[in-house]
Amino acid sequence: QVQLVESGGGVVQPGTSLRLSCAVSGFTFNTYGMHWVRQAPGRGLEWVAVISSDGSYKFYADSVRGRFTISRDNSKNTLYLEMNSLRPEDMAVYFCPKPTLRAGYFEYWGQGALVTVSS
Amino acid sequence: DIQMTQSPSSLSASVGDRVTITCRASQGISNYLAWYQQKPGKVPDLLIYAASALQSGVPSRFSGSGSGTDFTLTITNLQPEDVATYYCQKYDSAPYTFGQGTKLEIK
Repeated sequence: QVQLVESGGGVVQPGTSLRLSCAVSGFTFNTYGMHWVRQAPGRGLEWVAVISSDGSYKFYADSVRGRFTISRDNSKNTLYLEMNSLRPEDMAVYFCPKPTLRAGYFEYWGQGALVTVSS
Repeated sequence: DIQMTQSPSSLSASVGDRVTITCRASQGISNYLAWYQQKPGKVPDLLIYAASALQSGVPSRFSGSGSGTDFTLTITNLQPEDVATYYCQKYDSAPYTFGQGTKLEIK
């Protein structure tokens, strides 16, 4: 069965960095583009970034462009999100949902990783 | 970038009611529109894709319609377990923007 396990969250100070990981199983990871989506406490869903199956294409939301980097290691079935210059407004639960093979809507969601940005 | 606007932001309805939530895209997105349900404390669940296709396992009281810029999620015969926040999402191209959400409560 499909599993997506986000990890690497924690409490960090503004201006610092953090790297999230998403370990996947139950599907052929290297054939899927993958995304990060976040949800601030009590707020709505915000799409963050996408990476193509081979890693050659990446696109970011305006709110994180230039600070966050999405990457993947297909040999490890793992997706990453490197977050730099973190701001209080980046505080959220970060998800790496599984899209369908040909479209960017999300069939499966993990439990997410909580990132808290506070001094 | 294309903006996705949902209305209303919240609504309250009675068990058995018919409920309609709308989602408007600032530019045409054909039928590249999905709807999700997020119950309190849970992760989102996919309800509808391609504007009107029901995801497997989703009750038939949920339906979607629309194309281009205007879309609708309809829940007929509202049930207590439908209390949730509902989100639309465009997926024609990046950015894959979500609507701001509609919180549905039971009267």
